[in-house]
Amino acid sequence: AQSVSQHNHHVILSEAASLELGCNYSYGGTVNLFWYVQYPGQHLQLLLKYFSGDPLVKGIKGFEAEFIKSKFSFNLRKPSVQWSDTAEYFCAVNANAGNNRKLIWGLGTSLAVNP
Amino acid sequence: GAGVSQSPSNKVTEKGKDVELRCDPISGHTALYWYRQSLGQGLEFLIYFQGNSAPDKSGLPSDRFSAERTGGSVSTLTIQRTQQEDSAVYLCASSSPAGIYEQYFGPGTRLTVT
Repeated sequence: AQSVSQHNHHVILSEAASLELGCNYSYGGTVNLFWYVQYPGQHLQLLLKYFSGDPLVKGIKGFEAEFIKSKFSFNLRKPSVQWSDTAEYFCAVNANAGNNRKLIWGLGTSLAVNP
Repeated sequence: GAGVSQSPSNKVTEKGKDVELRCDPISGHTALYWYRQSLGQGLEFLIYFQGNSAPDKSGLPSDRFSAERTGGSVSTLTIQRTQQEDSAVYLCASSSPAGIYEQYFGPGTRLTVT
C-alpha cells in the first residue's frame, strides 16, 4: 500500500533560520507530489506541486521542493523562514495510475517560528 | 470567487445518532473528495466523486458511512449510528477538470460524538 512519511512532527525555528522538512513516499510508479500548508485558523492550501519536468519546483512564499526519484523523496525547503510561516505542513502523493485521484497524506509537520 | 464551503462547521451528536455533513464545491469543479482528519492523524481519504458517480469509495471505513452527490455539485456525507471513533474533522475538496490533481479544500466540519 502507498504511504507517505514526514520525519519531523514538530519543528521550532527562529526567524531567518533555514528550513527543510522531509517527505518520503512508498510507490514504485509515476507519482504526483504536493505540499499543502494550513495556517492557524485557515483552510488547507496548496504550497507547491510536482507533476513532471524540472525536479526542483518553486511554490508560493519562497518555498521550494526537490523531487529525488531514487530516494523517493520530496523535501520542502525555505532558505529563511519568517514568523508568518508558522503553520502545519502536509506532504501528499497521488499515484499517477489510471483514474486514481486520491491523495495519500503524511501526518504533517507543525512548524513554529519564533520572532 | 467563492471557495469550497462546508456545513455545519461544528456538530456535536450523541452516540448512535445519524449525521449529515454537506459540501458545496467550487462552481465548475467536477471532482469532489471527502477526507477525514482525526486527532494526531494525517488526512484519511474517504471517497472521490467524478460528476455524480463515485469511482473510488475505498476509504469509507464501514457501511455506516455513505455519500452522494447530486447535480454534479453538492455532496452529502452521511454517518449512521455514530460512534465515538467517528469524532474527527471531515474535509471536503474539489478540483476542476483542468487541474484534476490540484485540490481546493473547504474549512471542514468538526464532528464530536459524545
